[in-house]
Amino acid sequence: GAVVSQHPSWVICKSGTSVKIECRSLDFQATTMFWYRQFPKQSLMLMATSNEGSKATYEQGVEKDKFLINHASLTLSTLTVTSAHPEDSSFYICSAPLPGAPQLTLHFGNGTRLTVT
Amino acid sequence: LAKTTQPISMDSYEGQEVNITCSHNNIATNDYITWYQQFPSQGPRFIIQGYKTKVTNEVASLFIPADRKSSTLSLPRVSLSDTAVYYCLVGPSAGKSTFGDGTTLTVKP
Repeated sequence: GAVVSQHPSWVICKSGTSVKIECRSLDFQATTMFWYRQFPKQSLMLMATSNEGSKATYEQGVEKDKFLINHASLTLSTLTVTSAHPEDSSFYICSAPLPGAPQLTLHFGNGTRLTVT
Repeated sequence: LAKTTQPISMDSYEGQEVNITCSHNNIATNDYITWYQQFPSQGPRFIIQGYKTKVTNEVASLFIPADRKSSTLSLPRVSLSDTAVYYCLVGPSAGKSTFGDGTTLTVKP
């Protein structure tokens, strides 16, 4: 079945550095992917919609210059956390809609645990 | 965006049927109702989706009344491995929907 792969599964970085997270659709094409952030014991919060070949759409309150999203191909979207700070430490999850199904039918990656020291 | 309300937590025992209800009073005509399961440190996993009436698959059933203002996820004969957080998501697309707080289901032996 359709699978979304996310890499890395965890990363530790120093404050001020940048981190890139990759999200790949393995056996289907995804013109749209979604990026979420989840803090401990909390629900998923949509950060942005990644659109292949065009600019991402960011949710209110999400800094687009800090969270850079690139969707250069039909199977890959990347999220770069620039100048990371400890408050950016969180669980980042991507998803893509299942082809041919209603848009709310999502396949999620296994998430990336980011720790900023 | 449709706002959803679920019980924060539920307890059950192995072998029992579990029903989790989600309220979505302001659901729109083109909104779908989808349920996800999430284990700690993992991405959510799709369980079931419906628009109206009843939907059943190999793992769950989804009951939606005629007014669509609520929905009930039914898990038959739960096991310890069903302990997880369950989310209902209502909307036409992921970009136009919001995850609620979810229901933490704890299955006891």
